[in-house]
Amino acid sequence: SQTIHQWPATLVQPVGSPLSLECTVEGTSNPNLYWYRQAAGRGLQLLFYSVGIGQISSEVPQNLSASRPQDRQFILSSKKLLLSDSGFYLCACPRGGRGYEQYFGPGTRLTVT
Amino acid sequence: GDSVTQMEGPVTLSEEAFLTINCTYTATGYPSLFWYVQYPGEGLQLLLKATKADDKGSNKGFEATYRKETTSFHLEKGSVQVSDSAVYFCALSGRAGGTSYGKLTFGQGTILTVHP
Repeated sequence: SQTIHQWPATLVQPVGSPLSLECTVEGTSNPNLYWYRQAAGRGLQLLFYSVGIGQISSEVPQNLSASRPQDRQFILSSKKLLLSDSGFYLCACPRGGRGYEQYFGPGTRLTVT
Repeated sequence: GDSVTQMEGPVTLSEEAFLTINCTYTATGYPSLFWYVQYPGEGLQLLLKATKADDKGSNKGFEATYRKETTSFHLEKGSVQVSDSAVYFCALSGRAGGTSYGKLTFGQGTILTVHP
């Protein structure tokens, strides 16, 4: 079965600082990967998805970017954080790497101060 | 585009009470439907799913039936426990071949608190 790892688990960063969140997946090859954000008191919003190395699709224009340097690694970045970037960031991967039934990592809670 | 609407929360119940959380959706074609649960401080866990009309998903005493005619997927449990306290999210994913395939659209979440 697949396992999704995310780090760090929590992060407090000042406005204007850079960001790098990492997601890695074990137990599957060439998976589709997704980044979601959960803002306080709100549902989850899809930010980016990737169907393979170097392939990134953005769902919402914003201050963030994503990269996929390796098959099972997905990175979320920002050059300069905004207060509105605070939230709970979740990486997801479908069961078996493809399909519609997604499983989520433990998440990273980001607070921008 | 696709959308999911959940009943407003929070919902507060006593242990052993009956639970219903309403969920309706708007989507092109025939999406797959899901309920996810988020316990305090944790990520999301898939609770149950249904992939076609009239399917009933069930898990841990929770049930939801895919109703195409009413575009609904209401979550029910006959007797809730304190340990069911969590945030519940309804979600949909488009069918293969569509632009929304594999991408989840979530409702806003419903906070459930169960008291002893």
